[in-house]
Amino acid sequence: QVQLQESGPGLVRPSETLSLTCNVSGGSISTYYWSWIRQPPGKGLEWIGYIYYSGSTNYNPSLKSRVTISVDTSKNQFSLNLSSLTAADTAVYYCARVEDSSAYYYGYYFDYWGQGALVTVSS
Amino acid sequence: DIQMTQSTSSLSASVGDRVTITCRASQSISTYLNWYQQKPGKAPKLLIYAASNLQSGVPSRFSGSGSGTDFTLTISSLQPEDFAVYYCQQSYNTPYTFGQGTKLEIK
Repeated sequence: QVQLQESGPGLVRPSETLSLTCNVSGGSISTYYWSWIRQPPGKGLEWIGYIYYSGSTNYNPSLKSRVTISVDTSKNQFSLNLSSLTAADTAVYYCARVEDSSAYYYGYYFDYWGQGALVTVSS
Repeated sequence: DIQMTQSTSSLSASVGDRVTITCRASQSISTYLNWYQQKPGKAPKLLIYAASNLQSGVPSRFSGSGSGTDFTLTISSLQPEDFAVYYCQQSYNTPYTFGQGTKLEIK
């Protein structure tokens, strides 16, 4: 059973950079896409971006100038960096596996999720 | 970006009821539509992918339908554990976008 676990600081100061890591266990990070999704308190879900195990990325244009997602296949983990933080970036950050079923015309969907990491941006 | 609209933000129902939750896309997305269930303090859980395909392990009382711009999630007989927030999500193109959620509450 694939499991994902986010880790990183829970409190970050405004203008600084958020760094989170997602550790993948129970399966290889290879051959899949991996995504970050966030949810501000009491609000809906926002897709941040994804990375393929090979390193290719796709980011949400609304965050693209501030986001970097990277992968370390040797450690079976991937990471999120989000810079120039403001209070609006306060959210629960989820990592998730992206199932690519486009070859079957099923598209892409998030089939495994981490438990989420609350990140608060405050001085 | 494709906008996903769940016109009902909250819905009250009783155990045993048949419930339908709707989702509309701002443009045609074929059947590239997924449904998730989220309980308080938990990560979303995939229920339905590609509009009508039941994810492994999900009870058969959940079903999905639709194509183009209009989609529905149906729960045939509500169980106590089904009270949660439900989100639709399109994967027709990036950025992937979610509906704002429909909260299913106990009547």
